[in-house]
Amino acid sequence: AQTVTQSQPEMSVQEAETVTLSCTYDTSESDYYLFWYKQPPSRQMILVIRQEAYKQQNATENRFSVNFQKAAKSFSLKISDSQLGDAAMYFCAYRSFIGTASKLTFGTGTRLQVTL
Amino acid sequence: KAGVTQTPRYLIKTRGQQVTLSCSPISGHRSVSWYQQTPGQGLQFLFEYFSETQRNKGNFPGRFSGRQFSNSRSEMNVSTLELGDSALYLCASSEIRGAETQYFGPGTRLLVL
Repeated sequence: AQTVTQSQPEMSVQEAETVTLSCTYDTSESDYYLFWYKQPPSRQMILVIRQEAYKQQNATENRFSVNFQKAAKSFSLKISDSQLGDAAMYFCAYRSFIGTASKLTFGTGTRLQVTL
Repeated sequence: KAGVTQTPRYLIKTRGQQVTLSCSPISGHRSVSWYQQTPGQGLQFLFEYFSETQRNKGNFPGRFSGRQFSNSRSEMNVSTLELGDSALYLCASSEIRGAETQYFGPGTRLLVL
């Protein structure tokens, strides 16, 4: 079974600074998807960024980018120019590429605080 | 397009009762998945429905069940509620099974007293 580990329960960053959230995962599969989801206090889960394991290039979405290290099974999220609106819980998630299952396996989350 | 909607948003029940939660996916989306979120267990996959059939099931007791209708709307039911069933129940939809991205609804917060 796949597992996802987020070792940082809480992180803090000053506005306009850069922060990196860590995620490691365990799988025996060679093809899969990795995601970062953001959950603000409203509890709505919002997709931040997606990475396909077969793509060597790291995904980027505006201020958000990932460092995907397939051999190390590491998938960190970098948030540049942090904004107050970035404060939320961030979840790393894994989804198998095998077959057509849609099950997401989540990590325990990292609470990000953004300070002035 | 309207996003994923879930009703009700909040619910209070007592132990032993049953509850039904509803999820309407984004128009055109045919796959619906359900997740339970609790402080102790985190986010856990409940089940996935596609074309009115359960395609995948998480490790939950038989008290948790669901169904999907021909218009892709889905319901989940929890019978004989226990205190530990208090949680945020999230629904997610995607166009097809195995689609690259799932879109989540706002969730239903269930409190069991």
